[in-house]
Amino acid sequence: AQSVTQPDIHITVSEGASLELRCNYSYGATPYLFWYVQSPGQGLQLLLKYFSGDTLVQGIKGFEAEFKRSQSSFNLRKPSVHWSDAAEYFCAVYGSSGDKLTFGTGTRLAVRP
Amino acid sequence: DAGVIQSPRHEVTEMGQEVTLRCKPISGHDYLFWYRQTMMRGLELLIYFNNNVPIDDSGMPEDRFSAKMPNASFSTLKIQPSEPRDSAVYFCASSSTFSYNEQFFGPGTRLTVL
Repeated sequence: AQSVTQPDIHITVSEGASLELRCNYSYGATPYLFWYVQSPGQGLQLLLKYFSGDTLVQGIKGFEAEFKRSQSSFNLRKPSVHWSDAAEYFCAVYGSSGDKLTFGTGTRLAVRP
Repeated sequence: DAGVIQSPRHEVTEMGQEVTLRCKPISGHDYLFWYRQTMMRGLELLIYFNNNVPIDDSGMPEDRFSAKMPNASFSTLKIQPSEPRDSAVYFCASSSTFSYNEQFFGPGTRLTVL
């Protein structure tokens, strides 16, 4: 069965600093991978997705993620964080568990002024 | 497109009452998902439908929960009777087979059971 691990529950960065959120997945074949963001009191919004092809994918709000098959990882990055990026971030994988997404437990990002 | 629409946005009820949450998926989507989110348990998939047919309801916590999808544009999640431990945010999401099942989420219904 597929699974997703987000090792960091909370991360705090200073505004303007770079960001990397970790995501590791377990799946036998090439998965479809997603990053979602949830701002306080809001639903989940898709940031970016990987299906195939170029392993570096660009998303909205200046985010990018890199698929590394050898490390079973799909880490999310942003070169310069803005205060408005404070939110919870979820990694998800679509693969063998029927037609549903398997979500990680989320990483809550705080941004210091 | 208006996106996934959920109603009500907030619901406060008393223990023992029936609660009905509503969802309108994005037009043309053939999958619909119901999730529950709490601080303790995170995001949980309760049930999902494909072409209006329930496919997997293994996440439904107990018989007090039921979900229906009478047509492609409407679904309900019902809790009867409600209990305080059902307090959570309930999300509906929809997706399409033709877009690799990328899920679009509604804004959620915040349920408080007193």
